[in-house]
Amino acid sequence: GQQLNQSPQSMFIQEGEDVSMNCTSSSIFNTWLWYKQDPGEGPVLLIALYKAGELTSNGRLTAQFGITRKDSFLNISASIPSDVGIYFCAASQGGSEKLVFGKGTKLTVNP
Amino acid sequence: NAGVTQTPKFQVLKTGQSMTLQCAQDMNHEYMSWYRQDPGMGLRLIHYSVGAGITDQGEVPNGYNVSRSTTEDFPLRLLSAAPSQTSVYFCASSPLWTDTQYFGPGTRLTVL
Repeated sequence: GQQLNQSPQSMFIQEGEDVSMNCTSSSIFNTWLWYKQDPGEGPVLLIALYKAGELTSNGRLTAQFGITRKDSFLNISASIPSDVGIYFCAASQGGSEKLVFGKGTKLTVNP
Repeated sequence: NAGVTQTPKFQVLKTGQSMTLQCAQDMNHEYMSWYRQDPGMGLRLIHYSVGAGITDQGEVPNGYNVSRSTTEDFPLRLLSAAPSQTSVYFCASSPLWTDTQYFGPGTRLTVL
């Protein structure tokens, strides 16, 4: 089946540092999404990308839809303690609404 | 709007017991889905529905049944629970033909 390879698995950073994580696949997708999950909660949508090459920001978060449509990355600038959580990439071929999820990147921010 | 709600929040079952995990949404979304989340495995799709009366299997459907009699509700049934079904279960919904799914808070299920 289709798989998303998300890296890194975990990150330990100091408050104020920038963070970068990415997601790759051998399959082409038409939509890429990034979710954040806080402990004990459901995933919350951060950014949705619908066009190859698209670069979209949401506050300190920036995500890009790769030109090949096989990858995406998420950057977090000037991290703060509340950025702690698990970040998931997800992708879809569109229309069918069936999302495929990466295994997540667990982010720890040290004050 | 309450969004996507799930009950119960926690549940412990014995092997062989049956139960239904409830999911409801008040956003009039056509698409609803169930995922399970296991450590190191991310979210895996169990079943999904594109509207009342229509359901289909996802990646890991074995041991689970669903039905969709109304737009609002999408219950997940475990007919004979097994320890391998110990997991956190999330329900999600979205408008049809969009990929922006909204998740519920989850049900944490332990099967002994």
